[in-house]
Amino acid sequence: EPEVTQTPSHQVTQMGQEVILRCVPISNHLYFYWYRQILGQKVEFLVSFYNNEISEKSEIFDDQFSVERPDGSNFTLKIRSTKLEDSAMYFCASSPLHRGELNYGYTFGSGTRLTVV
Amino acid sequence: LAKTTQPISMDSYEGQEVNITCSHNNIATNDYITWYQQFPSQGPRFIIQGYKTKVTNEVASLFIPADRKSSTLSLPRVSLSDTAVYYCLVPNQGGKLIFGQGTELSVKP
Repeated sequence: EPEVTQTPSHQVTQMGQEVILRCVPISNHLYFYWYRQILGQKVEFLVSFYNNEISEKSEIFDDQFSVERPDGSNFTLKIRSTKLEDSAMYFCASSPLHRGELNYGYTFGSGTRLTVV
Repeated sequence: LAKTTQPISMDSYEGQEVNITCSHNNIATNDYITWYQQFPSQGPRFIIQGYKTKVTNEVASLFIPADRKSSTLSLPRVSLSDTAVYYCLVPNQGGKLIFGQGTELSVKP
């Protein structure tokens, strides 16, 4: 079964440092997403990406965050100047089809646990 | 934006059938209802999706009444490994999934 692959599985960084979280979506998927989940809380939408540009972003996704698809396979989330409150699980997801179309279930990766110290 | 409401938690025993009901009173005509499962420290996993009536796959069944204002996820003969959080979602415009608190299912021996 195709998988969304995320690396690293765990990242520890010092406050103020930049981190890049990496994802390899399923190869024939067209829509890409980042979500985060602070320990004990809900899974929160950060950003969606389609056709090499951001299609939607949440209030959480401020200027500290950026996404990029540098080549045909990778999808990255960059967090500049990390803060303690950025500590969370970050999940990448991809989807083959868009809302309203049949069978467009997302596939999530296993996540990157980011710890900011 | 269709808001969903589901129980915060449920308890069950191995071998029982578990039914988790979700209400989505303002679901739009074109919206599908999707259920995800999440184990601790893992990403959510797609379980099942439906539009109306009944959908069944190898994992679960999904029952949707004619008015589509609610749906019920049915897990037959649960095991300990079905202990997880189950989310009912109705994707909003743009296709993104908005997760609520979900239903924390605890299966006991």
